[in-house]
Amino acid sequence: GENVEQHPSTLSVQEGDSAVIKCTYSDSASNYFPWYKQELGKGPQLIIDIRSNVGEKKDQRIAVTLNKTAKHFSLHITETQPEDSAVYFCAAFFTGYSTLTFGKGTMLLVSP
Amino acid sequence: DTAVSQTPKYLVTQMGNDKSIKCEQNLGHDTMYWYKQDSKKFLKIMFSYNNKELIINETVPNRFSPKSPDKAHLNLHINSLELGDSAVYFCASSPGYATNEKLFFGSGTQLSVL
Repeated sequence: GENVEQHPSTLSVQEGDSAVIKCTYSDSASNYFPWYKQELGKGPQLIIDIRSNVGEKKDQRIAVTLNKTAKHFSLHITETQPEDSAVYFCAAFFTGYSTLTFGKGTMLLVSP
Repeated sequence: DTAVSQTPKYLVTQMGNDKSIKCEQNLGHDTMYWYKQDSKKFLKIMFSYNNKELIINETVPNRFSPKSPDKAHLNLHINSLELGDSAVYFCASSPGYATNEKLFFGSGTQLSVL
């Protein structure tokens, strides 16, 4: 089945710095790559997604890049703020399985 | 106006008991899911239902039985609870099945088996 590797598992940055989280996937047929943010005590929420026909997508301070050849995609957060502190999950939609497979998550801590 | 609501939020029970978690979505979605999140935050799908029909059934013990009375509800019943069942269980929904669309998650049910 699909396998999604996510790194790093924890990331600490100072407020204002940039944060980058990277994921790789195993199935070249995967065509949809969302990122979810999970705050303490809450369910994951979609923050940005990218489809396989696009190489980059931005939404204010967050951006996602996709390299289909290398089968990896990354989340970039610029000008981080303390409220960005959360667990971030990447995921890949595996067409053969018709569901999302999640990475193991990255705990991002932004210190003021 | 909560999109995906699940109850209870916390569930503390003894080993061997039977318990249920309820989930409802008011988004008009056709597909609903149950995910399990372990202590290391790993999210793993357990079941998915499309329009009340079981689509995905991961290698989950038979003690777990989902029930979908209509497409807006997907409940999870767990028999003979074990210590290893302790986790956070998330219900989710999406507009369709076999389409790469975003998931809407509930706020989770933290199950503690003592």
